[in-house]
Amino acid sequence: AQSVTQLDSHVSVSEGTPVLLRCNYSSSYSPSLFWYVQHPNKGLQLLLKYTSAATLVKGINGFEAEFKKSETSFHLTKPSAHMSDAAEYFCVVSGYGGATNKLIFGTGTLLAVQP
Amino acid sequence: EAGVTQSPTHLIKTRGQQATLRCSPISGHTSVYWYQQALGLGLQFLLWYDEGEERNRGNFPPRFSGRQFPNYSSELNVNALELEDSALYLCASSLVANEQFFGPGTRLTVL
Repeated sequence: AQSVTQLDSHVSVSEGTPVLLRCNYSSSYSPSLFWYVQHPNKGLQLLLKYTSAATLVKGINGFEAEFKKSETSFHLTKPSAHMSDAAEYFCVVSGYGGATNKLIFGTGTLLAVQP
Repeated sequence: EAGVTQSPTHLIKTRGQQATLRCSPISGHTSVYWYQQALGLGLQFLLWYDEGEERNRGNFPPRFSGRQFPNYSSELNVNALELEDSALYLCASSLVANEQFFGPGTRLTVL
């Protein structure tokens, strides 16, 4: 079965410093992986997706993630945090076979950005 | 291009009542998905509709049901509401498998 584990429930950084949000996945097959962001009282926005092409995936707003099969990881990074990055971030894996359209969400990481 | 829209924004019901939530997908998208985001339980897949048919269902009781209309909009119905049904219900649509675009959600409160 597909699953993702987000290793930190809360991360706090200072504005201008790097961001690292950690995600490990479990999958019997080559997975499709995503990062979504949810700002307070808003819906989910797709940041980036990995679908077995380049292992380093660039997304919106300066975020990127690297797929590492040997470590079963898909960590999200950004070189310099901005106040507007404060939100909850979800690592997501798609289902398999007849359930490829089913998204399986991690428990989320709440990112706080201090001035 | 308009995004996924959901109505109502907020819905307050009492135990035992029925709730109806609505979703309009992005124009051209044929698949609609429903997710529940409940406190302490995270985001869970509820239902997937495509071309008017239910394609997949999450681990929810039968009192959670829905349908998709010919214009691809969708309705989620929750019967016999329980307190634990209080949650944010998110709708998403897609044209390409796996790339889902989410609406702002409907906040359901069951008293």
